[in-house]
Amino acid sequence: GAVVSQHPSWVICKSGTSVKIECRSLDFQATTMFWYRQFPKQSLMLMATSNEGSKATYEQGVEKDKFLINHASLTLSTLTVTSAHPEDSSFYICSARPPTGGNTGELFFGEGSRLTVL
Amino acid sequence: AQSVTQPDIHITVSEGASLELRCNYSSGATPYLFWYVQSPGQGLQLLLKYFSGDTLVQGIKGFEAEFKRSQSSFNLRKPSVHWSDAAEYFCAVALSGGYQKVTFGIGTKLQVIP
Repeated sequence: GAVVSQHPSWVICKSGTSVKIECRSLDFQATTMFWYRQFPKQSLMLMATSNEGSKATYEQGVEKDKFLINHASLTLSTLTVTSAHPEDSSFYICSARPPTGGNTGELFFGEGSRLTVL
Repeated sequence: AQSVTQPDIHITVSEGASLELRCNYSSGATPYLFWYVQSPGQGLQLLLKYFSGDTLVQGIKGFEAEFKRSQSSFNLRKPSVHWSDAAEYFCAVALSGGYQKVTFGIGTKLQVIP
């Protein structure tokens, strides 16, 4: 199946600093990528849809100035958590829709990035 | 709006026993249905999917799921569970046609005991 890779797998940072998480589609071009946040013992909550060459679409309640998304190429989307605070600590997962997925909603997921803000 | 309900948050089964994880969905149109598995600290891996056709779909790792439109269900089954199946399982739904947003259930954590 299609491969999506995230980096870093885990990161610890001080409160007030910014953290960048990368999401790459390794063997296909992804015009659309998705960023999810997963709290402990909860499901995935869609944060935003990242579109190559255009602005991301954020879900209601997600601060776009807090969670900056850039999709500069067909294989890379980045999520930057700006001025991180302890409440931003979470597991962030990206996903991408491969070309064969078409309109079917099938997604391939990255390994996830565990962010801990001290 | 579409939604997914996984009524069992936690299930424990003995190794070798059969397994059924429940999933109910609500959707105003013909849904596309998925089951994903997540091991601790990992991303999600697609187990199987239903788009159309045969309502009994086969997936990886010996899993299967049956789509029952009358019950709005898409339950995941495995005849004999292995200890390596211990993980969290998520049911997901997307509306058919055009661009869709995928909605996930809350997940069912599976524990396998010897």
